[in-house]
Amino acid sequence: QQQVKQSPQSLIVQKGGIPIINCAYENTAFDYFPWYQQFPGKGPALLIAIRPDVSEKKEGRFTISFNKSAKQFSLHIMDSQPGDSATYFCAASISGNTPLVFGKGTRLSVIA
Amino acid sequence: NAGVTQTPKFRVLKTGQSMTLLCAQDMNHEYMYWYRQDPGMGLRLIHYSVGEGTTAKGEVPDGYNVSRLKKQNFLLGLESAAPSQTSVYFCASSYSQQRYFGPGTRLTVT
Repeated sequence: QQQVKQSPQSLIVQKGGIPIINCAYENTAFDYFPWYQQFPGKGPALLIAIRPDVSEKKEGRFTISFNKSAKQFSLHIMDSQPGDSATYFCAASISGNTPLVFGKGTRLSVIA
Repeated sequence: NAGVTQTPKFRVLKTGQSMTLLCAQDMNHEYMYWYRQDPGMGLRLIHYSVGEGTTAKGEVPDGYNVSRLKKQNFLLGLESAAPSQTSVYFCASSYSQQRYFGPGTRLTVT
């Protein structure tokens, strides 16, 4: 049962480009939407997170856009760099420490 | 702080063998989780714990057991390993909704 659908599976962009990764969710009770970044051989690390009371959140070059009515949220990476090459996971959960439901991941490659 | 640590980092098992993966956290977090990561499947929750002495099943619990005898440790056991359990296993802990992940254990079952 895939509650969070992530696309695309893989993405290749030129340095300086703006990769966009999309996620769609089904459960309207979700109220916490984080993005995790994972480098090869490492565990995932929290990149940025948003709650449904805002439509956009920026942290440095990373932006989450959130569309509550469409039940979708996306990650934008401005001025992407080769060091951003990693696998990105979206996730969702209900308030508190209920388990996160993860998307299947997007492998991003930023080429110089 | 070491954060979340996992032991061992790599392991090769033969079908039918048993083993225990150890997760330790030094952040005094109540919640701990075990995930498995397989290519194209993302992270799937195996079991989790909301506090010392408690455990609960996640999305893919079959073939695994867990124990949380101490707040800082969360053990994942495989009683009779199967090739389908070849995966990378991640432990995580949390205080609020932010999860802190360990570096992973790569397990191969032949």
